[in-house]
Amino acid sequence: GQSLEQPSEVTAVEGAIVQINCTYQTSGFYGLSWYQQHDGGAPTFLSYNALDGLEETGRFSSFLSRSDSYGYLLLQELQMKDSASYFCAVIQGGGKLIFGQGTELSVKP
Amino acid sequence: GAVVSQHPSRVICKSGTSVKIECRSLDFQATTMFWYRQFPKQSLMLMATSNEGSKATYEQGVEKDKFLINHASLTLSTLTVTSAHPEDSSFYICSATPQGATDTQYFGPGTRLTVL
Repeated sequence: GQSLEQPSEVTAVEGAIVQINCTYQTSGFYGLSWYQQHDGGAPTFLSYNALDGLEETGRFSSFLSRSDSYGYLLLQELQMKDSASYFCAVIQGGGKLIFGQGTELSVKP
Repeated sequence: GAVVSQHPSRVICKSGTSVKIECRSLDFQATTMFWYRQFPKQSLMLMATSNEGSKATYEQGVEKDKFLINHASLTLSTLTVTSAHPEDSSFYICSATPQGATDTQYFGPGTRLTVL
C-alpha cells in the first residue's frame, strides 16, 4: 500500500517557527511537494523537492531525505494568514500526486 | 500565468441526476489533467488521470461508469457524475500539467457538489 504520515494538527503563535513532518511509503517516487489549502479553497503549491536537501522560498523551506523517506516543511515568522491545512504529496510517474492526510495549522496571536 | 478554471464553482442537484464539471487550462496546453475528490476535513483523493485524446485512467475503487471523464482538447477536461447520490456530495478539484512539465500541477478552484 501507499501511505504518507503527517501530524493532524499543529498550533503555534505569531512570529514563531513551526515544522511539519512527513514520512512516506509509496511504490513510486519522483519527489515531494507541499501544498497549502485554506478552508473552501483549492490547494496552492508551496514547494517541491526532488533531491535531498533544503529548498528555501521566502518564509517557507522544505527538506527531503530520500534515504529516510522523510521530509518536512518549515514555516518561519508565522502570520495569522498562515492558518490553513498543509499537505505533503508524493509525485509519482506521469505526474500523479498522492497526498498525505493534511496538517491543520492554527496560528494564535 | 498558469491559471486553471472550473465550472461550475458550486452545484446543487437532486438525487439521480447527472452533473458535468468542466476544467480548463486558460493560458497553457495541458496534455494531462487530474481529477480529485475531497470530503470535509479529509485529504485530496486522486480519482483519475485524464490524457488528451485517450481514455482516462481510474484509480482503484473509482467507478469509471459513474464518473465519466472526457479530455477532448489540450485545454479542456470534463467530469460527469452520473446518477448522483447524496454520498457523491464532495469537493471536486481538477489539476493540469503543462506540456513538458510533469512535475508541476496547477489546481483549479474546485467545484462543491451537493446532492439532495
